[in-house]
This record gives sequence, structure tokens and C-alpha cells, in this order.
Amino acid sequence: DVKVTQSSRYLVKRTGEKVFLECVQDMDHENMFWYRQDPGLGLRLIYFSYDVKMKEKGDIPEGYSVSREKKERFSLILESASTNQTSMYLCASSLGTGLNEKLFFGSGTQLSVL
Amino acid sequence: RKEVEQDPGPFNVPEGATVAFNCTYSNSASQSFFWYRQDCRKEPKLLMSVYSSGNEDGRFTAQLNRASQYISLLIRDSKLSDSATYLCVVNGGIGSARQLTFGSGTQLTVLP
Repeated sequence: DVKVTQSSRYLVKRTGEKVFLECVQDMDHENMFWYRQDPGLGLRLIYFSYDVKMKEKGDIPEGYSVSREKKERFSLILESASTNQTSMYLCASSLGTGLNEKLFFGSGTQLSVL
Repeated sequence: RKEVEQDPGPFNVPEGATVAFNCTYSNSASQSFFWYRQDCRKEPKLLMSVYSSGNEDGRFTAQLNRASQYISLLIRDSKLSDSATYLCVVNGGIGSARQLTFGSGTQLTVLP
């Protein structure tokens, strides 16, 4: 089974701090994604990566950046955390980009910015 | 208008009941469709893809109506373990998981 591991389950940070969320997958998947999930809004794509050192903006990239130096690891960076970035962050990976490609999710990081 | 809309529920049904959820999508060019299941405080997991001719997986039946732009999920003989949030997911692009749009989910609680 594919395993997508997020480094922290819960995280509490202060406004203005730099925050790193780490994600590792163990199945040699090409694509990796960062979503945030908020009540009533569903999952929204922040950034995705289809190859090492490649990245593309999703629907809500403002205030975030990403890094993919190795195929198995995709990091989400909040340069200066703000309270409106309090959310559940979900990392996902997929093998390819086919129409019926299945996403495998990590268990999520609940980030609270105070 | 949201790209993918679902009735948030909650749907509270007794064990053994049949329950159906609908999901509407706005992009008529959407190519593929899915239902994901998300348990409380857990990550989403793929439940089933939705094919044009409709498809069944055990107690679960998924259907697609392109003309009216909606998909549905029918659960027969509900079990307590079916309690979860069901996410409708639509791929509006051509061959890219980047184009996935998630609904905000329908919450189901199956009562003993």
C-alpha cells in the first residue's frame, strides 16, 4: 500500500513565524500535491509538483511556497504565517496524470496560527 | 456558483436503510468523476470512480448524468461503518490530476 506521511499531526504557530510542513511518499509517485481543507469549502489546491524541482500553482497559492528537491519529499512553506492560514493541510500523491488517477492522501496536519 | 456542489447534510439514517447523495458540477467539459470517503479526522480515500454507464461495487452504486451534470451515490443496506463524509470529485481537465475539484462533502451518520 502507498504510504504518504506528513511530519506533524498538530501544529501551533504564532503570526509571522515561518512554517514548514513536510510530506514524504514511499511509492515513487511522480505527482505530489498540497491541499487545504476548510469547513464548507472542500479541499482547495495550493501547489502541486509533477517532477523533482518542478512546481505549479494551484488555486490558492498566495502566502505559500513549496520545495521538491527529492522525488519522495514535497514541502509546503508558509513564509510568514497568518491567522487565516489556520486550516487542515493535506498532502497527496499520484502515480501519473491520467484521467482516472487515484490520489493517496497523508493523514493531514491541523495547523493553528495564533 | 460553486464548481462542484453537494448537499452538506447531515444525513442520519437507520442501519439497513438505503440512502442517496447527489452532486452537481458546473463544467460541462468535465472528464472524470469520483467519490471519496473521509472518516472523521482522517484523510480522504477513493471509494469509487464513476463511469458513464454507471457502476456498482457491492452495496455502492454510482451514476453519472452528463445531460443534467450530476453524479449520484447510492448506498444500500447501510452499515454503521458507512458513517463518514462523502466527497464528490470532478476532473475538469484533460489528463491532469491538477484539475480535480472537490465538493465540500456530504456527512452521513448511520444509526443503530
